[in-house]
Amino acid sequence: GAVVSQHPSRVICKSGTSVKIECRSLDFQATTMFWYRQFPKQSLMLMATSNEGSKATYEQGVEKDKFLINHASLTLSTLTVTSAHPEDSSFYICSATDRHSYTGELFFGEGSRLTVL
Amino acid sequence: AQSVAQPEDQVNVAEGNPLTVKCTYSVSGNPYLFWYVQYPNRGLQFLLKYITGDNLVKGSYGFEAEFNKSQTSFHLKKPSALVSDSALYFCAVRDRGSTLGRLYFGRGTQLTVWP
Repeated sequence: GAVVSQHPSRVICKSGTSVKIECRSLDFQATTMFWYRQFPKQSLMLMATSNEGSKATYEQGVEKDKFLINHASLTLSTLTVTSAHPEDSSFYICSATDRHSYTGELFFGEGSRLTVL
Repeated sequence: AQSVAQPEDQVNVAEGNPLTVKCTYSVSGNPYLFWYVQYPNRGLQFLLKYITGDNLVKGSYGFEAEFNKSQTSFHLKKPSALVSDSALYFCAVRDRGSTLGRLYFGRGTQLTVWP
């Protein structure tokens, strides 16, 4: 089955630093990737839709200057949390759709636990 | 507008008993429907999907779901629950007419199976 690799799985950083999270589709090409944020015991909150070769589309209320998304190739999207603060601590999950799939089934990464001290 | 409702935050069942996790949806067109499972500190794993055809869909780990168009429901079921089925379950819907591939998720249902 389709595999999405997300790295790092856990990261701890100091307040004010920037953190980059990578999302890779290992055995398929993904023109579109999605970035979610999940708070404890809650559902996934869609942050942005990442399209290969173009600017990401951010959901309302998500600061695009704080959460920088780059989708430079058909297999890689990155999320950079800039000038991270403790309130940015969360579980971030990426997902991707196989460009050849007509059903739009999403494949998810394992998630990245960000802790900002 | 697309939306998904999972009316139960928590479902508790005894091992060996049948389980049902409820899901209803609202889409402007015909839906693609999905169920995902999430274990603690992990990403979501695909369980099953309804695209077309038979309303009863069979998926991974013995789970199945029945698409009911008149009731706009897609309840997840398993005849005999296992303790290892304890996890967070998400129902999701996508409008067939959508080109973006975005899924709309329910808020999740925590399933606990006790021995």
